[in-house]
Amino acid sequence: EPEVTQTPSHQVTQMGQEVILRCVPISNHLYFYWYRQILGQKVEFLVSFYNNEISEKSEIFDDQFSVERPDGSNFTLKIRSTKLEDSAMYFCASSTQADTEAFFGQGTRLTVV
Amino acid sequence: QQQVKQSPQSLIVQKGGISIINCAYENTAFDYFPWYQQFPGKGPALLIAIRPDVSEKKEGRFTISFNKSAKQFSLHIMDSQPGDSATYFCAASGGYSSASKIIFGSGTRLSIRP
Repeated sequence: EPEVTQTPSHQVTQMGQEVILRCVPISNHLYFYWYRQILGQKVEFLVSFYNNEISEKSEIFDDQFSVERPDGSNFTLKIRSTKLEDSAMYFCASSTQADTEAFFGQGTRLTVV
Repeated sequence: QQQVKQSPQSLIVQKGGISIINCAYENTAFDYFPWYQQFPGKGPALLIAIRPDVSEKKEGRFTISFNKSAKQFSLHIMDSQPGDSATYFCAASGGYSSASKIIFGSGTRLSIRP
């Protein structure tokens, strides 16, 4: 069964460092998303991406965040200068269309120290 | 207006019982209402979803009841099993730009007692 894969599964970084979280969406999907989940809290939308551009972003997705689809398979989330409060699980998701089932990856646990 | 309110926060049900989780929304532009199941350390996985043109959808032991006029929907898990113990999120999407975002509820931690 096709799945969304994310790497690494766990990333520890020092405050102020840049991190790149990587995702390989399901191959025939056209819509890509990043969500985050702070421990014990709800899943929060960060950004959606379609046709090689950002479709929508939340207030959380400020200038420190960026997304890229550098080739035909990868979808990355970059945090330029990490803060302690960026510590969370980051989930990548993809779907064939908007407003349909989104498949989530297993997540990357980001710990900022 | 873009919130999805979910209750209860936690729920304990005996094996074989019925688990019921409730959600409410404000934005009438929402047109897709999925439920996600999440096990510890894993990503959310779609369990069942409904669109507002039907009032109920059933898949195996899982049923969504949808009340469009009240802007409420609920998940019923019949014959609850210990393997159903997980966190459940209701969600809603629709009415936005071309790639709709999913708005998640706050989650319900369900424990099924053997």
